[in-house]
Amino acid sequence: QKEVEQDPGPLSVPEGAIVSLNCTYSNSAFQYFMWYRQYSRKGPELLMYTYSSGNKEDGRFTAQVDKSSKYISLFIRDSQPSDSATYLCAINNAGNMLTFGGGTRLMVKP
Amino acid sequence: NAGVMQNPRHLVRRRGQEARLRCSPMKGHSHVYWYRQLPEEGLKFMVYLQKENIIDESGMPKERFSAEFPKEGPSILRIQQVVRGDSAAYFCASSQGGETQHFGDGTRLSIL
Repeated sequence: QKEVEQDPGPLSVPEGAIVSLNCTYSNSAFQYFMWYRQYSRKGPELLMYTYSSGNKEDGRFTAQVDKSSKYISLFIRDSQPSDSATYLCAINNAGNMLTFGGGTRLMVKP
Repeated sequence: NAGVMQNPRHLVRRRGQEARLRCSPMKGHSHVYWYRQLPEEGLKFMVYLQKENIIDESGMPKERFSAEFPKEGPSILRIQQVVRGDSAAYFCASSQGGETQHFGDGTRLSIL
């Protein structure tokens, strides 16, 4: 079993839709949860970072963590074609290595 | 641009040659991490370095791969005697020592 599981997609939605991206993890020692966005041929760009259960909002993005279920989510409101990218969840427990999910490819169609 | 800088962006080597990948961290960051992204796979941790020290190399292959982060200059990931399976995108990230890491745009290594 992988430490972090993520549906690879692709996920295709119309412009303006609410997008829900999810990851599950197996190690309850994980404490810090991040979402990265990666455009083709570019490096991952940090979108959201949280360390506690609950919701964290930043503009159109909301990160949600449920430690009891080992489940994390990223919601994107009013999705735009420019949101089309691969979204990676990343988790760590000691400030060292990040453990990544495999990424979900999102396509927002105009 | 004060972001993480990696060079070269693209590197082509023949089997058996050496590959050297360079990474300059963000200004003020003294922690460097290397990750590898194989085709159709996620990012996998390789090594974590601070200035002049390897902190965690648990993700590094045992042979042919080495990394350094000297007191002066960029961090270097070195792959000796490259093989076709080394073809991948190699990403460097840096941090101030906290949990958030910022990534460069990677070096895409192709082995002929």
